[in-house]
Amino acid sequence: DSGVTQTPKHLITATGQRVTLRCSPRSGDLSVYWYQQSLDQGLQFLIQYYNGEERAKGNILERFSAQQFPDLHSELNLSSLELGDSALYFCASSVGLAGGRETQYFGPGTRLLVL
Amino acid sequence: GDSVTQMEGPVTLSEEAFLTINCTYTATGYPSLFWYVQYPGEGLQLLLKATKADDKGSNKGFEATYRKETTSFHLEKGSVQVSDSAVYFCALRQAGTALIFGKGTTLSVSS
Repeated sequence: DSGVTQTPKHLITATGQRVTLRCSPRSGDLSVYWYQQSLDQGLQFLIQYYNGEERAKGNILERFSAQQFPDLHSELNLSSLELGDSALYFCASSVGLAGGRETQYFGPGTRLLVL
Repeated sequence: GDSVTQMEGPVTLSEEAFLTINCTYTATGYPSLFWYVQYPGEGLQLLLKATKADDKGSNKGFEATYRKETTSFHLEKGSVQVSDSAVYFCALRQAGTALIFGKGTTLSVSS
């Protein structure tokens, strides 16, 4: 158990809909990262938050947004969903911005299926 | 930009066989290197890491050495078990950035 929790575990929805994925980082971790894992694109970084502020953006679509709340949990919002958004979405957390050496701990993921 | 290349799988081995999964990277500067493992139906777990050249990361019988001269971080294990069956991801990270992953290598070990 990494200490990172994600809900829900599975999500099935229809095209055009909007969903929210939730992540709680490990106790004491200030950084939260979101990744998407799909068969064709592999594991891709979406976005990072540190202590409530956006720090870095990766290959995140404009239809997707995220935020980190004062209690440090984070939510990833996916809107106008398309079939191609079906994927496994991971959240990871780390202590802070100590550079490339610090370990990111991953949650179990949310499997999204768009029908 | 930075990238990671892993050998294509699947890798199929018998129990107690020797395992090597090749990983090479392209990066400026001095990234940290990681191996993560994903067991069926689960999230990613850190297997081992190395943060500078010539460092050897090791865990659960797995080892990998950070070779800057060959830009490689190959994963090895002397004797695999059925329970090692999983997908293995090589990744790099520069200071202040997110992880960049390889495409993953599926390992299947039979008894």
